[in-house]
Amino acid sequence: DAGITQSPRHKVTETGTPVTLRCHQTENHRYMYWYRQDPGHGLRLIHYSYGVKDTDKGEVSDGYSVSRSKTEDFLLTLESATSSQTSVYFCAISGGVTMNTEAFFGQGTRLTVV
Amino acid sequence: KNEVEQSPQNLTAQEGEFITINCSYSVGISALHWLQQHPGGGIVSLFMLSSGKKKHGRLIATINIQEKHSSLHITASHPRDSAVYICAVLYWGSRLTFGEGTQLTVNP
Repeated sequence: DAGITQSPRHKVTETGTPVTLRCHQTENHRYMYWYRQDPGHGLRLIHYSYGVKDTDKGEVSDGYSVSRSKTEDFLLTLESATSSQTSVYFCAISGGVTMNTEAFFGQGTRLTVV
Repeated sequence: KNEVEQSPQNLTAQEGEFITINCSYSVGISALHWLQQHPGGGIVSLFMLSSGKKKHGRLIATINIQEKHSSLHITASHPRDSAVYICAVLYWGSRLTFGEGTQLTVNP
């Protein structure tokens, strides 16, 4: 996949612990997104960013925070993980400078909160 | 109500059948992506459309901008086509919005 990586790819954590997921891009795309995917719900937007330090909430933002201190990285933080946050998390990017109709997708991070 | 509507939600077909998945959206867009996700797998972009029609192998994608509608067709379907197919639209300003996905199962 073109220039977008998520880390870690898998994580198991305990309830109440903080967790940070990282999305890194080398495409210089303006928009970055975090989604979660659960059976029966499709992809639901958690937060997105439209530029450095510019972020906005999606439809399922409660319990999550994000930060984008540089173009390449968009971090998703679960301040105090709960079992309901067990999910697969996907990052996406869009809004390239030369081809603003492009969109690329990360490989996903499987998070289990026990 | 989702801004992007996909149908059907689930589709079961026999190998060799012609398959159509539909996607409708509500306002003007700059582009539409058809995505594929196999069980436990990542998301792969199949097509990006802003007008007309594209073909890749047995897959064909069309978009009608005036009617705000796109279709993904699979000819001569095969069990390896079994996956979730997702429509995603890029609204002007480049914000991505996904449909709920269509679970396709092709039986041998």
